[in-house]
Amino acid sequence: NAGVTQTPKFQVLKTGQSMTLQCAQDMNHEYMSWYRQDPGMGLRLIHYSVGAGITDQGEVPNGYNVSRSTTEDFPLRLLSAAPSQTSVYFCASSRDYSYNEQFFGPGTRLTVL
Amino acid sequence: QQPVQSPQAVILREGEDAVINCSSSKALYSVHWYRQKHGEAPVFLMILLKGGEQKGHEKISASFNEKKQQSSLYLTASQLSYSGTYFCGTADRGADGLTFGKGTHLIIQP
Repeated sequence: NAGVTQTPKFQVLKTGQSMTLQCAQDMNHEYMSWYRQDPGMGLRLIHYSVGAGITDQGEVPNGYNVSRSTTEDFPLRLLSAAPSQTSVYFCASSRDYSYNEQFFGPGTRLTVL
Repeated sequence: QQPVQSPQAVILREGEDAVINCSSSKALYSVHWYRQKHGEAPVFLMILLKGGEQKGHEKISASFNEKKQQSSLYLTASQLSYSGTYFCGTADRGADGLTFGKGTHLIIQP
């Protein structure tokens, strides 16, 4: 099992550019989520999905879109990148968010100039 | 609303014990603990469920006081490999996801 994979590992964007961060899992988990991690702030939930076709907003959703067309994939789209979106992004998957461990991907380090 | 972790940082000698606390203002379903080393992804340590069930690491223990919405992580006879940042994540009725604290930095010195 590959677990949770994320691509790319590093990305530099200019303000206003758009891009998609990819996330995939091979554990047949229903619950997937995206977090951003900034120094001193911990992990903050951006968007999550409880199954294919179902997504919802987390704590900091502005400027990001998600979709879940398959159980395996959960891409995160930055619509128009801003310097405030410079962060490390983690994707995670689990059987559910309350009662089972979350498996994190290796992260994507994004810099917006 | 993020749970509050304390202390923010702690430095120990190898073999000493540490306690990390996590406190929430909300009624909780569960508390999760993760450890993150620099430049890596968070790694699961333990889940404490409402009602007393625990799942997780054999060498690390934790408690969950449901009435006070507080949890503590106990690291005994600390090893150099315990160094890292520890996060608690809480699951409550108001959000369909974990809300993480800001983390506790633990440094173990030889």
